[in-house]
Amino acid sequence: DTAVSQTPKYLVTQMGNDKSIKCEQNLGHDTMYWYKQDSKKFLKIMFSYNNKELIINETVPNRFSPKSPDKAHLNLHINSLELGDSAVYFCASSQRQGGETQYFGPGTRLLVL
Amino acid sequence: QQQVKQSPQSLIVQKGGISIINCAYENTAFDYFPWYQQFPGKGPALLIAIRPDVSEKKEGRFTISFNKSAKQFSLHIMDSQPGDSATYFCAASGGSNYKLTFGKGTLLTVNP
Repeated sequence: DTAVSQTPKYLVTQMGNDKSIKCEQNLGHDTMYWYKQDSKKFLKIMFSYNNKELIINETVPNRFSPKSPDKAHLNLHINSLELGDSAVYFCASSQRQGGETQYFGPGTRLLVL
Repeated sequence: QQQVKQSPQSLIVQKGGISIINCAYENTAFDYFPWYQQFPGKGPALLIAIRPDVSEKKEGRFTISFNKSAKQFSLHIMDSQPGDSATYFCAASGGSNYKLTFGKGTLLTVNP
């Protein structure tokens, strides 16, 4: 069983469209994260939720809106997609916030044309 | 401001050699220093982690060396194998800052 799963794996879309990425973890963890990995492989945190509460909100355009319906799920909705949004988006989870092992999903490769 | 600086950007090592990747941090509140390994097309996975109460941690062929006074830590891969070829990220977190700050990554290639 996959610990952290993401859908879709690939997403190709036109500029201006709205899209969502879904994430689920079956590890019973309290904390979930969204990361963006750019073409140079740089990993940057975007958001973090702990027990469905937003605890980290980095400087991210407000076109990006996370939503955590429950502890096991963290979704990412992106409005008005731009070319610069093309990247790999990783979901991750950890037992709790702070210095804990983070378990990453397989990533969603987003290409905006 | 990049809080975790990682070098080198890329590294080529022969099979059986030692791979060394270095990281330096600025925030003295950091108290958790993990290394993640990422294979192409996959998500990063924790390789080994250290806290500042010890200066070295070893797990199999992988060793973290930690120098608190210099604010530096490094990953040593002994007897490097072609299967170790991947991108390695150092990271740090701590204090009131719960987020994990990653270095820019090192692409390791181990030639057979």
